Amino acid sequence: KAGVTQTPRYLIKTRGQQVTLSCSPISGHRSVSWYQQTPGQGLQFLFEYFSETQRNKGNFPGRFSGRQFSNSRSEMNVSTLELGDSALYLCASGYGGLDNEQFFGPGTRLTVL
Amino acid sequence: DAKTTQPTSMDCAEGRAANLPCNHSTISGNEYVYWYRQIHSQGPQYIIHGLKNNETNEMASLIITEDRKSSTLILPHATLRDTAVYYCIANNYGQNFVFGPGTRLSVLP
Repeated sequence: KAGVTQTPRYLIKTRGQQVTLSCSPISGHRSVSWYQQTPGQGLQFLFEYFSETQRNKGNFPGRFSGRQFSNSRSEMNVSTLELGDSALYLCASGYGGLDNEQFFGPGTRLTVL
Repeated sequence: DAKTTQPTSMDCAEGRAANLPCNHSTISGNEYVYWYRQIHSQGPQYIIHGLKNNETNEMASLIITEDRKSSTLILPHATLRDTAVYYCIANNYGQNFVFGPGTRLSVLP
C-alpha cells in the first residue's frame, strides 16, 4: 500500500498570504488528522476529519481551517500567514475506528518570511 | 496536556536492548497505549500499540503493567538507525493524539 502523501513538501510564503496544503491518505482510510510541529511547541493537534466531517478540533485560531473530500483526501488552509506559522505540518491517516492507529506523512515544511 | 510522562533522554549501546519507560497513571480503561518515533524532521512512524496485553511485532515489544499505569517499549537489538524521539501516547476512540515531548533515544556505537 502506498503511504500517506503530502504536497508540497516545502513552501515559502510571506506574511499576510494564505496557503493550502494537501494530504492523500492511505487507501481505505477515512480519518485524516493534521498536526503542527514547531521546535518550541512540539507536535500539536490541529483537527481531524472523518468521512468529510470535522470530528475533532485543536486549540488553533480560525485562520487554520480544513476540509475533506469524498475520496478522503484532505486539505488544510492557513490564511493571513504570520511568522509564527512557520512549522512542519503533518498529516496522519487511519481507519478512524476503535483501534485508532494513525500513519503519518512526511510533512510539509512551511516557512513564512 | 499529554497524559503520559517519559524521561527526556536515554542512551543505549548498539546491539543492546533499549527499554523506554512511559508512565500513564491516569489512563482510563478503554484507552490504548501507542508508541511512535520520529527521526529528525520526518513524520512520526508508528511502532506498536496495546490495550492490556503485551504486544510484539517486527519492530518492538510493548510491555504493559497489570494495573496499566505504566508501560515499556523494548527495542530488542538497537541499531544506530533507532536513534530518534520516541513518543508514548494514551488514546481513546474519537480522541485526538496528544504528543508530549517524548524521549530522545541515542544509540551509541
